[in-house]
Amino acid sequence: LAKTTQPISMDSYEGQEVNITCSHNNIATNDYITWYQQFPSQGPRFIIQGYKTKVTNEVASLFIPADRKSSTLSLPRVSLSDTAVYYCLVGPLSNDYKLSFGAGTTVTVRA
Amino acid sequence: NAGVTQTPKFQVLKTGQSMTLQCAQDMNHEYMSWYRQDPGMGLRLIHYSVGAGITDQGEVPNGYNVSRSTTEDFPLRLLSAAPSQTSVYFCASNTQGGTEAFFGQGTRLTVV
Repeated sequence: LAKTTQPISMDSYEGQEVNITCSHNNIATNDYITWYQQFPSQGPRFIIQGYKTKVTNEVASLFIPADRKSSTLSLPRVSLSDTAVYYCLVGPLSNDYKLSFGAGTTVTVRA
Repeated sequence: NAGVTQTPKFQVLKTGQSMTLQCAQDMNHEYMSWYRQDPGMGLRLIHYSVGAGITDQGEVPNGYNVSRSTTEDFPLRLLSAAPSQTSVYFCASNTQGGTEAFFGQGTRLTVV
């Protein structure tokens, strides 16, 4: 599985855009990039998944450059309720029963 | 749909005791997995199953047993609890080639 590197923590304020970059230099051809969100005392929750270019849903956008060696999760206009740990996962869909989580990025949103 | 349901939510065990953490899903997913999460860390895979009757070990399987007799249920058994097994345990399910995994609310286990 591709190793991922993401910042340990980020601080932001309500209404700002938060961008979390994940590095995955040894990503394989059949690997997808998936982001999960985890609130305290809860299980992780799927946010978004992509293979290349840009993916957007009602929660976030995922930007993936052509070389796919990194990706950026963008959270528009965050609120206090977006305070959570965000995990970047890289792997093939055929391995989606054994996900590999790093330490994640703790995002703290302040008023 | 309830999704993934874990019971109990909290449990305190004495060293050497055994217990079973329950996990049930109602989404007819083929895949189910157990993870543990220690403070400040990400989730680590304990055991997983790709279908009824099929299980395999993950990253940290020692001290745990699993079985999968039905599609819906995937219990995790602690054979002889140790303080090192104090953790939060999460069960997850997803479908083959599916986009996302669905996680339960977790079981917080303390071994004294």
